[in-house]
Amino acid sequence: GENVEQHPSTLSVQEGDSAVIKCTYSDSASNYFPWYKQELGKRPQLIIDIRSNVGEKKDQRIAVTLNKTAKHFSLHITETQPEDSAVYFCAASYSDFGNEKLTFGTGTRLTIIP
Amino acid sequence: GAVVSQHPSWVICKSGTSVKIECRSLDFQATTMFWYRQFPKQSLMLMATSNEGSKATYEQGVEKDKFLINHASLTLSTLTVTSAHPEDSSFYICSEVSHPSYNEQFFGPGTRLTVL
Repeated sequence: GENVEQHPSTLSVQEGDSAVIKCTYSDSASNYFPWYKQELGKRPQLIIDIRSNVGEKKDQRIAVTLNKTAKHFSLHITETQPEDSAVYFCAASYSDFGNEKLTFGTGTRLTIIP
Repeated sequence: GAVVSQHPSWVICKSGTSVKIECRSLDFQATTMFWYRQFPKQSLMLMATSNEGSKATYEQGVEKDKFLINHASLTLSTLTVTSAHPEDSSFYICSEVSHPSYNEQFFGPGTRLTVL
């Protein structure tokens, strides 16, 4: 199966600065890499995703990069705002008997300091 | 994205009782739903894959006789925690895949189970 590692586990950033969260995966067959934001007691919300045929994707202040050779992908948040404070999870999707399953990273608690 | 609901949003029960959690797809006929468990300050762990009209597929280490999954229709999957114990207290979340050709999963709001 897939194994996803995520770093750092906690990250504090001054408001307006950038935040970077990194993940590595083990299964070279994984082809879909979403990032989720989860606030306390709430469901994970998809914020951006990338597929294995793309190296970078950007959506306003959020960007994701993928290095298939090195099997790692990163989330970049620019111009951070207090509402960006949450726990962020990366995930990798692998196919298991026709079902596309997600393996999640361990999460990063991001705190934006006003 | 897809809209998924769960019921109840929270439940408190006594040890030894069974609890049923419902997961509904509100705008899509989901042939596949997933059930996750999330302990406090931890990540989401996949428990099982629920396929409409067939038996669920459980991940290694998840007791299928304890966590009963039924996916009787294209819009409803249920998870029953049988003979619940305090260590089963957790946040249970279901998800559905938006389209068979895609990988995106959309999550329900979750059910907080507390077993006394």
